[in-house]
Amino acid sequence: DTAVSQTPKYLVTQMGNDKSIKCEQNLGHDTMYWYKQDSKKFLKIMFSYNNKELIINETVPNRFSPKSPDKAHLNLHINSLELGDSAVYFCATGLASRSDTQYFGPGTRLTVL
Amino acid sequence: DQQVKQNSPSLSVQEGRISILNCDYTNSMFDYFLWYKKYPAEGPTFLISISSIKDKNEDGRFTVFLNKSAKHLSLHIVPSQPGDSAVYFCAAKGGGGNKLTFGTGTQLKVEL
Repeated sequence: DTAVSQTPKYLVTQMGNDKSIKCEQNLGHDTMYWYKQDSKKFLKIMFSYNNKELIINETVPNRFSPKSPDKAHLNLHINSLELGDSAVYFCATGLASRSDTQYFGPGTRLTVL
Repeated sequence: DQQVKQNSPSLSVQEGRISILNCDYTNSMFDYFLWYKKYPAEGPTFLISISSIKDKNEDGRFTVFLNKSAKHLSLHIVPSQPGDSAVYFCAAKGGGGNKLTFGTGTQLKVEL
């Protein structure tokens, strides 16, 4: 069983489209995160949810909207996609009570044409 | 402003020798440091961590050293194995919230 899964693994789309990336975890963790790895390989946090509540919201365009339907899922919806959104997006999970280790999903490579 | 820096984008080491990966940070509020390993087309996987109250943590072939006064940490892998070839990310936590601040990674290649 995959602990942290993301769908899709690859996503190619046109500028201006709206797309979603899904993340699911079966570790029973209470905190989930979205990270973005850009073309320079810089891995940077975007959002963090704890028990479905938004905890961290870094400086991210409001075209990006995370949604957590339940504690096991954190989806990322992106409106009006731009070329600069092309990146690899990683979902991660952890325990708020144990704030060190985070477990990452395999990533979703988004390419905006 | 990059608060965690890995100044060596790549490192090549012979099998059996020691690999030393370095990381520098600027934020004195960081209180926990982690190393992650990443293979192509996979997510980062946790390797080893160290609290700011310690200066060394060892786990098998992996040892992390922390020099708080220099704001520097390093990961030692000995002996290095071909399967260790991957990108290694240094990460730091602290100053509020559980977010991790990552360095840009070092590509380690262990050659036969």
